[in-house]
Amino acid sequence: DAGVIQSPRHEVTEMGQEVTLRCKPISGHDYLFWYRQTMMRGLELLIYFNNNVPIDDSGMPEDRFSAKMPNASFSTLKIQPSEPRDSAVYFCASSLLRLAANTGELFFGEGSRLTVL
Amino acid sequence: RKEVEQDPGPFNVPEGATVAFNCTYSNSASQSFFWYRQDCRKEPKLLMSVYSSGNEDGRFTAQLNRASQYISLLIRDSKLSDSATYLCAVIRGGSQGNLIFGKGTKLSVKP
Repeated sequence: DAGVIQSPRHEVTEMGQEVTLRCKPISGHDYLFWYRQTMMRGLELLIYFNNNVPIDDSGMPEDRFSAKMPNASFSTLKIQPSEPRDSAVYFCASSLLRLAANTGELFFGEGSRLTVL
Repeated sequence: RKEVEQDPGPFNVPEGATVAFNCTYSNSASQSFFWYRQDCRKEPKLLMSVYSSGNEDGRFTAQLNRASQYISLLIRDSKLSDSATYLCAVIRGGSQGNLIFGKGTKLSVKP
């Protein structure tokens, strides 16, 4: 079975450019999460969706970041304009049912490694 | 104070050693706790949940101390393949989906 699929796997861009990261969750999962990981800050939750609806976006660092989930099988995280401090690995993860009610298992994609020059 | 804190390590241990990691959390309302494993340049994967009474899975034992607000992971008879970063994760109190991770503890098992 296919896991969480993210694209691109690697992106190098210049400061000021728009970056769009994409995620396809596991079919049937009703929660989708976007995380960012850096050495300094670790794995930070940016936003999560339940049944395509954003539930908590308090982790989104600023207005330059936006996320959408137009349907159950697709989500995007957009950074516009990008800055060097946005360089990180961005993970998408999905989960079935409420985390508090199951094993707490998030299924992560392989991540998108972003470098902003 | 960060919501979930871990000693970053690295812990360098010989094969066969027993090693333990702690993780502290600041929100006393947190209800669910987990350990994840992350290999170098890979995604995190669930290792085990942490139950109130403590639980064991083979060489791995997880414990929860609510009074002191920490969870622990004990690895017995460590293998080379246990080398990874171990992340503790906590569901933020009062939320249904906010899984908050520590920065991880790096373990290196040497021959």
